[in-house]
Amino acid sequence: GENVEQHPSTLSVQEGDSAVIKCTYSDSASNYFPWYKQELGKRPQLIIDIRSNVGEKKDQRIAVTLNKTAKHFSLHITETQPEDSAVYFCAARKMSGGYQKVTFGIGTKLQVIP
Amino acid sequence: KAGVTQTPRYLIKTRGQQVTLSCSPISGHRSVSWYQQTPGQGLQFLFEYFSETQRNKGNFPGRFSGRQFSNSRSEMNVSTLELGDSALYLCASSLYGTGNQPQHFGDGTRLSIL
Repeated sequence: GENVEQHPSTLSVQEGDSAVIKCTYSDSASNYFPWYKQELGKRPQLIIDIRSNVGEKKDQRIAVTLNKTAKHFSLHITETQPEDSAVYFCAARKMSGGYQKVTFGIGTKLQVIP
Repeated sequence: KAGVTQTPRYLIKTRGQQVTLSCSPISGHRSVSWYQQTPGQGLQFLFEYFSETQRNKGNFPGRFSGRQFSNSRSEMNVSTLELGDSALYLCASSLYGTGNQPQHFGDGTRLSIL
């Protein structure tokens, strides 16, 4: 089955600096890669996603890059703010037998220090 | 449009009891997936339902079961509760469950086993 590894598990950055979280996946059939942000005590919320036919996608301060050959994708947050502090999850999704299969990374706890 | 609704938000049970959790997806969404979230294990996939049929199942024992109704609402049941079942149980809905449709999570049910 699919295996998604996420690094680092914790990340501390100074406010205004950039943060990068990396994920690798094992199944080349995975073709959709969402990122979720989960603040303490709240639900995971989709913040950005990328499909396998795209190499990069950007939404304001957030960007995601995908390298299909190397089977890894990364989340980039620029000009970090204290409200970016949360746990971030990556996921890889593929279709199998007409049904979707989603595998999540273990999560990265991001702390933005004011 | 209302988001994914999970009830109850909190639940305390004792070992050996059983519990039923409920999830109402976003209106029009037909796919409902269930996840167990614990601090050390991240988001673990339990199962997915689409059109009242279980289409996908994770690596959990048979004590964990679920079902989906014709209105797409889903329930998850855990029998013979164990201490290790203490976790946040999240459900997520998506439009069709096929293709690259994003999942939207509910706030979860926090289950504590005494």
